[in-house]
Amino acid sequence: SAVISQKPSRDICQRGTSLTIQCQVDSQVTMMFWYRQQPGQSLTLIATANQGSEATYESGFVIDKFPISRPNLTFSTLTVSNMSPEDSSIYLCSVYGDNSYEQYFGPGTRLTVT
Amino acid sequence: GDSVTQMEGPVTLSEEAFLTINCTYTATGYPSLFWYVQYPGEGLQLLLKATKADDKGSNKGFEATYRKETTSFHLEKGSVQVSDSAVYFCALIFGNEKLTFGTGTRLTIIP
Repeated sequence: SAVISQKPSRDICQRGTSLTIQCQVDSQVTMMFWYRQQPGQSLTLIATANQGSEATYESGFVIDKFPISRPNLTFSTLTVSNMSPEDSSIYLCSVYGDNSYEQYFGPGTRLTVT
Repeated sequence: GDSVTQMEGPVTLSEEAFLTINCTYTATGYPSLFWYVQYPGEGLQLLLKATKADDKGSNKGFEATYRKETTSFHLEKGSVQVSDSAVYFCALIFGNEKLTFGTGTRLTIIP
């Protein structure tokens, strides 16, 4: 299984500001995934980030709001831009394990927007 | 499209009780099936998996069997502990397409 770390683990931010979340994996991976988990809800995929190409966003998510970087095979960032209280969620990154059908998740970044 | 339907929670049980959390799926083929667990304040952990019909996944005393006939993957444990209190998510995936999650079931175990 992959070991995934995220920074920050939590943050409280003001409306209108931006926050960049970092995701670091202990091995090289082709695809990295970013999810959002709103309070009391299930997980929703935001985008898939492949190294060396533009991220692919799911319906309802746009690059201007959630820009993603993928500079190498072990690292990615997700920025939550121009935040509003509705962005208060847990943001998780995920990668495939050794078997292409298994996904492993980071510990999450708990974001509160006031 | 593919979907996962989970037993609605919250579920509250006494310690040492038998646990079943129902999960059924709708899919056009034969996906791989998973149970993930989210302990309070933490991210998701893969609890167990099954990749083909009749496979039984097991871990930490939990079991789930891939039932093609009933398109189900129910999670069971014979004797729950307080430390099992968490949110449990059933999920499916085809190949390297995106993971589809159920809504999650919050389980609370009372001493």
